Amino acid sequence: DVQLVESGGGLVKPGGSLRLSCAASGFTFSNAWMSWVRQAPGKGLEWVGRIKRWTDGGTTDYAAPVRGRFTISRDDSKNTVDLEMSGLKAEDTAIYYCVTNYVQAWGQGTLVTVSS
Amino acid sequence: NFMLTQPHSVSESPGRPVTISCTRSSGSIASNYVQWYRQRPGSAPTTLIYEDNQRPSGVPARFSGSIDSSSNSASLTISGLKTEDEADYYCQSFDSSNHWVFGGGTKLTVL
Repeated sequence: DVQLVESGGGLVKPGGSLRLSCAASGFTFSNAWMSWVRQAPGKGLEWVGRIKRWTDGGTTDYAAPVRGRFTISRDDSKNTVDLEMSGLKAEDTAIYYCVTNYVQAWGQGTLVTVSS
Repeated sequence: NFMLTQPHSVSESPGRPVTISCTRSSGSIASNYVQWYRQRPGSAPTTLIYEDNQRPSGVPARFSGSIDSSSNSASLTISGLKTEDEADYYCQSFDSSNHWVFGGGTKLTVL
């Protein structure tokens, strides 16, 4: 079965950093472009960013609100994709989902709360 | 960039069909694939439709997607509504840089 399992969420102070990880299984991870999507409490879905597969250059793209503060990386040997977040703000508070349209899969999400 | 506009809410009775629209503000709806996601209360989203009208395995045939260039919109149609279909539904497409663009979501109530 296809699975995406996020981890690493928690409470962090404004200006702080946090690293989320997503472990993938059940499909050929190295073929997949991987994205992160977030959802603030009571709000809709917001795309955070994406990393392409290495055969497409392995490059990353980010939404404007997080560009320069968030970094996505991948490790195809471990089937993981990470989201490194720094300079966190209260408005980054959200559930963060790992997603791939390669096999139409979403993770269960991990909650990030930015508060003093 | 463009926006995807969905009705805030729709309601229909069990057994009836319902259609949720997703209108693109600029550029052709046909220029980039549209996906549809369902999010039940307290759960993660799941993919109902990808590439305009394709259903992932396990998604029932009563869920269908289409695009209409004349109205520059995409539609999700659910036939034979069930109470378990109560959820939020989101459309999503891509901009010219392949960044994801989401609609604001539609709350479906099955009366």
